Amino acid sequence: DTAVSQTPKYLVTQMGNDKSIKCEQNLGHDTMYWYKQDSKKFLKIMFSYNNKELIINETVPNRFSPKSPDKAHLNLHINSLELGDSAVYFCASSRPGTADYEQYFGPGTRLTVT
Amino acid sequence: AQSVTQPDIHITVSEGASLELRCNYSYGATPYLFWYVQSPGQGLQLLLKYFSGDTLVQGIKGFEAEFKRSQSSFNLRKPSVHWSDAAEYFCAVGAIYDKVIFGPGTSLSVIP
Repeated sequence: DTAVSQTPKYLVTQMGNDKSIKCEQNLGHDTMYWYKQDSKKFLKIMFSYNNKELIINETVPNRFSPKSPDKAHLNLHINSLELGDSAVYFCASSRPGTADYEQYFGPGTRLTVT
Repeated sequence: AQSVTQPDIHITVSEGASLELRCNYSYGATPYLFWYVQSPGQGLQLLLKYFSGDTLVQGIKGFEAEFKRSQSSFNLRKPSVHWSDAAEYFCAVGAIYDKVIFGPGTSLSVIP
C-alpha cells in the first residue's frame, strides 16, 4: 500500500536523450513536489504543484518540465540530458495548512547520465 | 535569508551510546520544524515534527527533539543508539503554505 510511488527506480541514459519520471500518491494530498538530491546528499526543491497548479519553480533549467495531469500525479520530463543531471530525484506530497503538513517522500529515482 | 545548518557532517557513535544531532535555523516567521531520516537507497521518512505547544517532541524509533526559540535550534536526541540507526539525518524548516528548506544532513555511523 505505497503512499508515494515513483517509476522507474533506476534510469541510465546517455547525454542528449529525453526521459521522464512518474510519480503518484494515494494519500489524497493537494500538493506535490520534486526534489533533487546531489551526490553530497544535499536536497533541493525543484517544483511544487497544488491542485495541478505550479506554485514553486526554483531556479531550474527549462529542460526540466513538470506536468500534473491530476492532483495525484506529478511527472517530471527532462530534455537534452546533461552529465550534471545525474542525481537522485524524489517526489513528495503534503497537505499544507493542516496538522498533516509534513512531506511524504517516494523511494527516489536514481538518474545516471553517461 | 531562510536557512538550516547542521554543523556536524558526520558523527560516529558506539551502539548503546547517547546521540545528539544539532540543527540551527534562520527563519523570519514562526517555523514548522522537522527531522527526517534517510536510510541508504531509501526515501526520507519523518521522525518527528514541531508546530507549536510543548517544545520537547517525541518521535518514532525512540527519538526526541527540543525546540529552543532563543537559540534557533531544534536538536535531535536518542538515549541509546542501535546499529539500525545508521543513516543520514536531515533537519528541515518551513512555514504553513511555504516551501520546506532542508539542512545539508548529518551522516550517522554506529560502531557495534
